[in-house]
Amino acid sequence: DIVMTQSPDSLAVSLGERATINCKSSQSVLYSSNNKNYLAWYQQRPGQPPNLLIYWASTRESGVPDRFSGSGSGTDFTLTISSLQAEDVAVYYCQQYYSTPFTFGPGTKVDIK
Amino acid sequence: EVQLVESGGGLVQPGRSLRLSCAASGFTFDDYAMHWVRQAPGKGLEWVSGISWNSNSIGYADSVKGRFTISRDNARNSLYLQMNSLRAEDTAFYFCAKGQHDYGDSISYWGQGTLVTVSS
Repeated sequence: DIVMTQSPDSLAVSLGERATINCKSSQSVLYSSNNKNYLAWYQQRPGQPPNLLIYWASTRESGVPDRFSGSGSGTDFTLTISSLQAEDVAVYYCQQYYSTPFTFGPGTKVDIK
Repeated sequence: EVQLVESGGGLVQPGRSLRLSCAASGFTFDDYAMHWVRQAPGKGLEWVSGISWNSNSIGYADSVKGRFTISRDNARNSLYLQMNSLRAEDTAFYFCAKGQHDYGDSISYWGQGTLVTVSS
């Protein structure tokens, strides 16, 4: 199974400042035949189900604000919130869908400083 | 509007069975893979199982393999999770989720979840 890790466990950022979350997979999730990274990012606000932000490591889901961006390839990935807003307080998860089981990272909690 | 409504959760004793259902609407159900994802109270997300649009591809988490069975009825726009030999560690909110498209895609939409509590 592919093990996903995230860092940090939590972070507090001032409004308008940048938040950066890292995700690492225990093996590459880059499929060479199509050059796609099978990696997604989700946001889960308190009391809500998760919400898809980014897929294929860097493609923003429709309706997601452009302050959210994803980058990385192979085993190392990053979710960046360029200018943190109050509504971004949430737990953020990465997930690999390269191979079954489609494992999630443990989550990173983002708060306002 | 996409809607996923889970049902079938509740309190069940260890070792017993429970069947979860998910009623889907607002999209062409048989065009999409579907998944079950669970979340123990206050904990992170755990992918439980997924199924392709035609049921040809099915996968399970190691923690439920051999005990849980996913299935779908495209004529009824419904997804199911048969859970046998339930354990205390299966206690969680169970989310029905719609795939982006194919089995090996991200999850694009989630239901509100149904709580399963395994306790004597």
